[in-house]
Amino acid sequence: NAGVTQTPKFRVLKTGQSMTLLCAQDMNHEYMYWYRQDPGMGLRLIHYSVGEGTTAKGEVPDGYNVSRLKKQNFLLGLESAAPSQTSVYFCASKSSGGLGDTQYFGPGTRLTVL
Amino acid sequence: SQQGEEDPQALSIQEGENATMNCSYKTSINNLQWYRQNSGRGLVHLILIRSNEREKHSGRLRVTLDTSKKSSSLLITASRAADTASYFCATRQTGANNLFFGTGTRLTVIP
Repeated sequence: NAGVTQTPKFRVLKTGQSMTLLCAQDMNHEYMYWYRQDPGMGLRLIHYSVGEGTTAKGEVPDGYNVSRLKKQNFLLGLESAAPSQTSVYFCASKSSGGLGDTQYFGPGTRLTVL
Repeated sequence: SQQGEEDPQALSIQEGENATMNCSYKTSINNLQWYRQNSGRGLVHLILIRSNEREKHSGRLRVTLDTSKKSSSLLITASRAADTASYFCATRQTGANNLFFGTGTRLTVIP
């Protein structure tokens, strides 16, 4: 099992450009999450999904959109990138059910917006 | 913010010593988890303690939870250089589907 994978690993954008980050998991998990990590601020939740076809906002959703068309994939879109979106983005997944509360993280995508 | 806070922000110890990190949070929780992050990598789950538990062990890790003080501690015994990483606590509020992460403790273990 590959676990959680993220594409791309690194990206540099100019202000106003758009891009999509792809997260894929092969563990048949229901829940998927997108976080951003900035120095000194820990991880902050952007959006999440509790199942195929569903999405919900997290703490910092502005400027981002997401889609969960397939259970194994969760896409994070930036329609018009801003320098404030320079960050490291992590995707995570977990199974449903009372005991399945551990989140499994991908390796991250380092995004720089100039 | 609903984030927890870890204390200290940074900790440097000699190999073989014990390391203790603390986490405080603001709301009632279903469980509290500790994660580890090596530099440039994703987070890895270490241990989960439920709100009705007070202490839990896993190998060299010992976690305590005091729901009356809304705090938790992570103890790593007999530290090794390979334990060098950032450690984050994360809480799941009752009824929530997501976790709130703290700001992390950066641990350095000197060989």
